[in-house]
Amino acid sequence: EAEVAQSPRYKITEKSQAVAFWCDPISGHATLYWYRQILGQGPELLVQFQDESVVDDSQLPKDRFSAERLKGVDSTLKIQPAELGDSAMYLCASSFAGTSGSQYFGPGTRLTVT
Amino acid sequence: TQLLEQSPQFLSIQEGENLTVYCNSSSVFSSLQWYRQEPGEGPVLLVTVVTGGEVKKLKRLTFQFGDARKDSSLHITAAQPGDTGLYLCAGSAGGYQKVTFGTGTKLQVIP
Repeated sequence: EAEVAQSPRYKITEKSQAVAFWCDPISGHATLYWYRQILGQGPELLVQFQDESVVDDSQLPKDRFSAERLKGVDSTLKIQPAELGDSAMYLCASSFAGTSGSQYFGPGTRLTVT
Repeated sequence: TQLLEQSPQFLSIQEGENLTVYCNSSSVFSSLQWYRQEPGEGPVLLVTVVTGGEVKKLKRLTFQFGDARKDSSLHITAAQPGDTGLYLCAGSAGGYQKVTFGTGTKLQVIP
């Protein structure tokens, strides 16, 4: 069964350092999402791609966060510099166009900033 | 900004009991999804509903989309410990199917 891949699964970094997360969506899924989730709460959308284009990054802290999906397939989310408040689960999801928003999530990356 | 409020926020019940989780909004959605998430993992899609008044069943889980497509409910019959997890509703709207997640309901089923 096709799955969304994410790496790393866990990341510990010191504040002010740079950190990057990678996501490989299910093959054929044009839409890719990056979310941040605080423990016990619902995911918060950071950025949404349609193929290689950003269609929503209104909640992305652009002074320190960046995201790209250069060839419209896999994607990278970067934080530079990391702050203590960035500690959270970072989730990637993908969906096939026309599936009414149904998303398939990867296992997530648990980030701890010390 | 579209908001989805879930209730209750926390629920702890005994195995075999029934329960209902609610997902409410003042906004209209073109579709609504329910997910279950276990600690340390990503959410897993349970169901998508798209038609007002639609009812879908998945074994012991029954999902309903409100007639006005602003709310939804999830009913679990005879809960089991394996049902334990964080239940999330999510609504989709707009040309690019912008998704808004609910606040979450943490369910614990005690053996």
